[in-house]
Amino acid sequence: DTGVSQNPRHKITKRGQNVTFRCDPISEHNRLYWYRQTLGQGPEFLTYFQNEAQLEKSRLLSDRFSAERPKGSFSTLEIQRTEQGDSAMYLCASSLTGTGVAEQYFGPGTRLTVT
Amino acid sequence: QKEVEQDPGPLSVPEGAIVSLNCTYSNSAFQYFMWYRQYSRKGPELLMYTYSSGNKEDGRFTAQVDKSSKYISLFIRDSQPSDSATYLCAIGDYKLSFGAGTTVTVRA
Repeated sequence: DTGVSQNPRHKITKRGQNVTFRCDPISEHNRLYWYRQTLGQGPEFLTYFQNEAQLEKSRLLSDRFSAERPKGSFSTLEIQRTEQGDSAMYLCASSLTGTGVAEQYFGPGTRLTVT
Repeated sequence: QKEVEQDPGPLSVPEGAIVSLNCTYSNSAFQYFMWYRQYSRKGPELLMYTYSSGNKEDGRFTAQVDKSSKYISLFIRDSQPSDSATYLCAIGDYKLSFGAGTTVTVRA
């Protein structure tokens, strides 16, 4: 499978715990994006990387959230001290710079439930 | 005001009908306009994208962009039950702004 993969697919955690999600982009894609989607809404941009550099973060990304892409390949998104409001689908997407920049391909998402 | 407005529906049509979906947006600087399809509890799947104004056709799907009106549309011809999904419009160059999605059901 050469698409975007995300792990885990589902995560249930208790409020206050830390969670980490992983995203593996399409292998030749140098841009990687994180979005969050809540029920009945479209995805909302959180942050994106070009290679290993994090170029932009949304105001939605509070200081409890941190994302990394250490070698310009896979990325991790960590949420510290989870809150019930963090319950959502976390989506990862990837693309190429240049003419392919608009073609973002999404993974299946990680569904987080905070109890 | 949200950057992208999309009627959430739901929209129910008989098999074979034309499905018409649309979005309006506020930021005239946007150049790329995308349509995604999302099945329940799955990630969005890119259907089509258009650069600037004009039409683009891909099989049964046609995307239209009217930058003067800040209005984009997606038409699905000869709709099939397998087209039943949520359709999301997205606008932007790298940081995409999405509409809320329109849920479409095609009745056999």
